[in-house]
Amino acid sequence: KNQVEQSPQSLIILEGKNCTLQCNYTVSPFSNLRWYKQDTGRGPVSLTIMTFSENTKSNGRYTATLDADTKQSSLHITASQLSDSASYICVVSGMDSSYKLIFGSGTRLLVRP
Amino acid sequence: NAGVTQTPKFQVLKTGQSMTLQCAQDMNHNSMYWYRQDPGMGLRLIYYSASEGTTDKGEVPNGYNVSRLNKREFSLRLESAAPSQTSVYFCASSEAGGVNQPQHFGDGTRLSIL
Repeated sequence: KNQVEQSPQSLIILEGKNCTLQCNYTVSPFSNLRWYKQDTGRGPVSLTIMTFSENTKSNGRYTATLDADTKQSSLHITASQLSDSASYICVVSGMDSSYKLIFGSGTRLLVRP
Repeated sequence: NAGVTQTPKFQVLKTGQSMTLQCAQDMNHNSMYWYRQDPGMGLRLIYYSASEGTTDKGEVPNGYNVSRLNKREFSLRLESAAPSQTSVYFCASSEAGGVNQPQHFGDGTRLSIL
């Protein structure tokens, strides 16, 4: 069964610190992997999209990495800000249908002052 | 620039009642989607419309119907609401369904069924 697992489920860090969120997937054949940010009470917002041939992509202080061989991805947040407090969702698309995305349950990040 | 607009934002229904969730996008996107988000679970696709005039089932279509009214609008209907349909419903759109096409989400409809 195609699955996307994220860890940790939740994380608390101090403002200014860095953190890394993990995503493992079993989707095969794999097409692309996305990271979304979801603020409380809002819809998800796209951060990055990587195809199987890309191993890193940045969006400001967010850097996503992908290892298609081990089926792992990570999202690194540098110099965290209070506004980074949100859920971060890993999403995978298989080759069979680019319309049907498989969502992880997310990592809830809280940045404290 | 509104993006994806969903109405209503909140709704409480009684079991057996019907209602339609509305979604409109102003980005001239071809593809539109309906998801539900339940606590502790990832978003699950209910239905999608790859282009105007077409609709297809997603992972959890039972109990729902959709209408792609035109290129801008995609509605989701619950004919006879059940408590298991209590959830947050998100509409999304994308230029197409291909690689590197991010989906843009609305802010959701929070639906409670008593």
